[in-house]
Amino acid sequence: DAKTTQPNSMESNEEEPVHLPCNHSTISGTDYIHWYRQLPSQGPEYVIHGLTSNVNNRMASLAIAEDRKSSTLILHRATLRDAAVYYCILRGPNNNDMRFGAGTRLTVKP
Amino acid sequence: DAGVIQSPRHEVTEMGQEVTLRCKPISGHDYLFWYRQTMMRGLELLIYFNNNVPIDDSGMPEDRFSAKMPNASFSTLKIQPSEPRDSAVYFCASSDQGRTGTATDTQYFGPGTRLTVL
Repeated sequence: DAKTTQPNSMESNEEEPVHLPCNHSTISGTDYIHWYRQLPSQGPEYVIHGLTSNVNNRMASLAIAEDRKSSTLILHRATLRDAAVYYCILRGPNNNDMRFGAGTRLTVKP
Repeated sequence: DAGVIQSPRHEVTEMGQEVTLRCKPISGHDYLFWYRQTMMRGLELLIYFNNNVPIDDSGMPEDRFSAKMPNASFSTLKIQPSEPRDSAVYFCASSDQGRTGTATDTQYFGPGTRLTVL
């Protein structure tokens, strides 16, 4: 299975943009890149996903490198409520086993 | 919709006792997943169902664990007998893959059940 690599932790100031990187050098052509986050004492929640093109939704943006070996989740203006563990996950057409890994723990400072 | 509902939210039991965790998926979803989260191993998939049928239980740690889905709106995860190493947070999730496909579906997670086995 393709693997993802994320920094263990990152810090951000409130109201500033945050760029959360993810490396996935062994990604296959049919793998989608998904991001989930887990707020304290809650279950994971979906953030965004993409295949090749950059994606935007109300929560975040996903920037995917041209070679697809890395991607970046962008929170445009971090709030205290964005403090969570962010997981980058690859999903193939027949893969229901989402490998969450350790994720990146984002701390947002007021 | 109320989202995925799990009960109980917290369970404390003694070693050797039977534990049953319950999950109500989002109405209309055709896939249901059970996960376990520990500090040591992170979030792991235990088993998942499609239209109430178990598809992959390779993540179930051992025979003490069993899961059922008698109908589209209810699933249980049972541990018998329970051991201290089973202490973890257990999450249930559901998704609508029939509409979106496997690679692009969104899994909706419940709040989890925190299990402590003494």
